[in-house]
Amino acid sequence: GQSLEQPSEVTAVEGAIVQINCTYQTSGFYGLSWYQQHDGGAPTFLSYNALDGLEETGRFSSFLSRSDSYGYLLLQELQMKDSASYFCAVRGGGGYNKLIFGAGTRLAVHP
Amino acid sequence: DADVTQTPRNRITKTGKRIMLECSQTKGHDRMYWYRQDPGLGLRLIYYSFDVKDINKGEISDGYSVSRQAQAKFSLSLESAIPNQTALYFCATSDIMNTEAFFGQGTRLTVV
Repeated sequence: GQSLEQPSEVTAVEGAIVQINCTYQTSGFYGLSWYQQHDGGAPTFLSYNALDGLEETGRFSSFLSRSDSYGYLLLQELQMKDSASYFCAVRGGGGYNKLIFGAGTRLAVHP
Repeated sequence: DADVTQTPRNRITKTGKRIMLECSQTKGHDRMYWYRQDPGLGLRLIYYSFDVKDINKGEISDGYSVSRQAQAKFSLSLESAIPNQTALYFCATSDIMNTEAFFGQGTRLTVV
């Protein structure tokens, strides 16, 4: 089966940098994704890593280490609008290659 | 128009009733998913389908069934709703590479 672990809550101040970690266990692994969800909204895609290393998209970066079954999402220059829940998701599960999500990390950004 | 549309957006139903949640997409994707979201538990996979003839159970399929009527339509049914099925339900689609999923706006279901 698959399981993902990420912190339940993170708090930071505007302008700061925050890192949200994700460790995973899966039978078959193709990649790690990150999604953002604001209260009352739908999850929206942020990034995807299939290979080891850092992927940067504006203020957000995502890192993957396949050997450590570990990844993180890095948010820089935090803004109030970044207050949301962030989910890591594994693309895995053997041949069926399905998407399994973690429980999510709630990020609160304070002035 | 939204790429992934769920109906209804909100529904209150009584215990024991049958209810269907519908999802349609205009992305042209083959892969469609139904997830359930409960506070603190993230998104849990109920069923997924990789084409019209391919339906698979997810982590929590008990009490649910699905139908893939066409490439663009994937419906979720609760044959006899129970209160612990009260949750927010999301439909999602992705292409064959499965690198990015697109979600509907969700259906908030309350079983009383």
